[in-house]
Amino acid sequence: DAKTTQPPSMDCAEGRAANLPCNHSTISGNEYVYWYRQIHSQGPQYIIHGLKNNETNEMASLIITEDRKSSTLILPHATLRDTAVYYCIARNAGNNRKLIWGLGTSLAVNP
Amino acid sequence: NAGVMQNPRHLVRRRGQEARLRCSPMKGHSHVYWYRQLPEEGLKFMVYLQKENIIDESGMPKERFSAEFPKEGPSILRIQQVVRGDSAAYFCASSPPGSGRAGEQYFGPGTRLTVT
Repeated sequence: DAKTTQPPSMDCAEGRAANLPCNHSTISGNEYVYWYRQIHSQGPQYIIHGLKNNETNEMASLIITEDRKSSTLILPHATLRDTAVYYCIARNAGNNRKLIWGLGTSLAVNP
Repeated sequence: NAGVMQNPRHLVRRRGQEARLRCSPMKGHSHVYWYRQLPEEGLKFMVYLQKENIIDESGMPKERFSAEFPKEGPSILRIQQVVRGDSAAYFCASSPPGSGRAGEQYFGPGTRLTVT
């Protein structure tokens, strides 16, 4: 699975959009980009994933660049409850189903 | 649809005792994963199981740790002769069938093991 790089921390004002970047410059053609988050002491939560098209669900939007070397997770209207560590994971679509976790981005949403 | 259930939520064991952690996957999910998170560290994969089969145990310590997912009942992570270094949060996750959704893993609340 391709290595991903994320900034260690970010701040966002409550009510504003939070844009979390992820670099995956060595991603291969059959690797998806997954986003998870972990709110303090809780189990990680699946957010969204995509291959090459932009994706949107009730939680967030995922924008993947045309060359697929980077992506951005967008929380359109961040709330205090969105304060968490956000993980970007590039994962092969094959049968090996484990997730390899990096250090993620610690997002602080401030009032 | 109930989420992934783990019990107990907190477990205290003395050194040398056994710890048994249970995980019931989401309804319709036949794939179970165990991860460990040491204090102030990231999640580390331990083992991936399907019903009655261990598919990938590359993250399991060679000794004292075992996992099973029987045909009936929850998945069990068993740690024999616990040591202080086993103190951690243990998370179970499950995923739906279908390779296209293999990365969608849904996590339980975790079991926090403290070894005294």
